[in-house]
Amino acid sequence: DAGVIQSPRHEVTEMGQEVTLRCKPISGHNSLFWYRQTMMRGLELLIYFNNNVPIDDSGMPEDRFSAKMPNASFSTLKIQPSEPRDSAVYFCASTLKVVKYSTDTQYFGPGTRLTVL
Amino acid sequence: AQSVTQPDIHITVSEGASLELRCNYSYGATPYLFWYVQSPGQGLQLLLKYFSGDTLVQGIKGFEAEFKRSQSSFNLRKPSVHWSDAAEYFCAVVRSGTYKYIFGTGTRLKVLA
Repeated sequence: DAGVIQSPRHEVTEMGQEVTLRCKPISGHNSLFWYRQTMMRGLELLIYFNNNVPIDDSGMPEDRFSAKMPNASFSTLKIQPSEPRDSAVYFCASTLKVVKYSTDTQYFGPGTRLTVL
Repeated sequence: AQSVTQPDIHITVSEGASLELRCNYSYGATPYLFWYVQSPGQGLQLLLKYFSGDTLVQGIKGFEAEFKRSQSSFNLRKPSVHWSDAAEYFCAVVRSGTYKYIFGTGTRLKVLA
């Protein structure tokens, strides 16, 4: 099992540019999460997908942030335009939700370290 | 509202010494509890979890944690620390039947040779 795969691992961009982060969940998992980790705020849930449908995007900080999951094996988190305060490590996690209201272990990817200059 | 407190931001121990990392949670009912470890430049790896049953939970890498309802705690322990255990450790709580993990701020462990 390859685990959750994220790309790129590091991204450096200039303010105002569009940034796209990618995630491939564990095969067979039907729930996907995007998190942001900063020193100031710790780990924050940005958005949660179940069966490719966004269920909770209340953590998305602004309209500049958007996320999609076009199929069960791929998701993107896009920031447009990017700002220096978006600099953080972005994690993707997936889980197999066997029962709709069950609580399942989340498996995290290695993260993407984003630096916005 | 649920919350998780990890009182120790940094802990330093000598290799071979015992370790206890504290985690306190705030939640009305029995929560689901997790400990994750994050090595530098890596994602979070699950060490162990508590859903129900035996309050002493065994995890990977020789770690264990004990759920104490009366103290609202879920402390992580290891009897003998190895240099490779140096990392950041996160406690997380989630209400049963939901997906939203609430993470603590983490405890960074340094191991002295």
